[in-house]
Amino acid sequence: DAKTTQPTSMDCAEGRAANLPCNHSTISGNEYVYWYRQIHSQGPQYIIHGLKNNETNEMASLIITEDRKSSTLILPHATLRDTAVYYCIVREGGAGTASKLTFGTGTRLQVTL
Amino acid sequence: NAGVTQTPKFRILKIGQSMTLQCTQDMNHNYMYWYRQDPGMGLKLIYYSVGAGITDKGEVPNGYNVSRSTTEDFPLRLELAAPSQTSVYFCASNSGSSGANVLTFGAGSRLTVL
Repeated sequence: DAKTTQPTSMDCAEGRAANLPCNHSTISGNEYVYWYRQIHSQGPQYIIHGLKNNETNEMASLIITEDRKSSTLILPHATLRDTAVYYCIVREGGAGTASKLTFGTGTRLQVTL
Repeated sequence: NAGVTQTPKFRILKIGQSMTLQCTQDMNHNYMYWYRQDPGMGLKLIYYSVGAGITDKGEVPNGYNVSRSTTEDFPLRLELAAPSQTSVYFCASNSGSSGANVLTFGAGSRLTVL
């Protein structure tokens, strides 16, 4: 799996957009970008994933650069409940194989009043 | 629909004791996983299973055993607890087909070995 690099921590004011970057310069053509988050020692929660097109769901948007070497997770209107550690993971789509995901230390997002 | 259920939520063990962390899922998922998370660190894969009767080692399997006799259950056993096994343990599952790599996690089991 391609290695990912994320900032250790970020702050965001409540109500503003939180933009969390992730670098994955060695990503290969069949690898997807996945985002999870972990709120205060709870189990990680899946947010969104994408291959090359931008994706949006009820939780967030994922913007992947054209060369696929980096991506940004966008929380459009951050709330205090979005305070969490956010993990960016790169892995092959892998239908039919075990998802042995590697969770690094992620980005600790602090949303403030 | 409960998802992934782990028991117990908290446990304190003495060095050398043994115990089993229970994990059950009601989503008929073929794939199940055990991770551990030490303070301030990411998650490390201990063991995983691709179906009933099939298990395999992850990144940090030493000191642990697993079994998968049913699709629903994937218990993790610690035979001789050591302080290095003090951690939070997470069980997860996924279908392995559609939504590959989209894992559902349990709430975690916090284990302290003294």
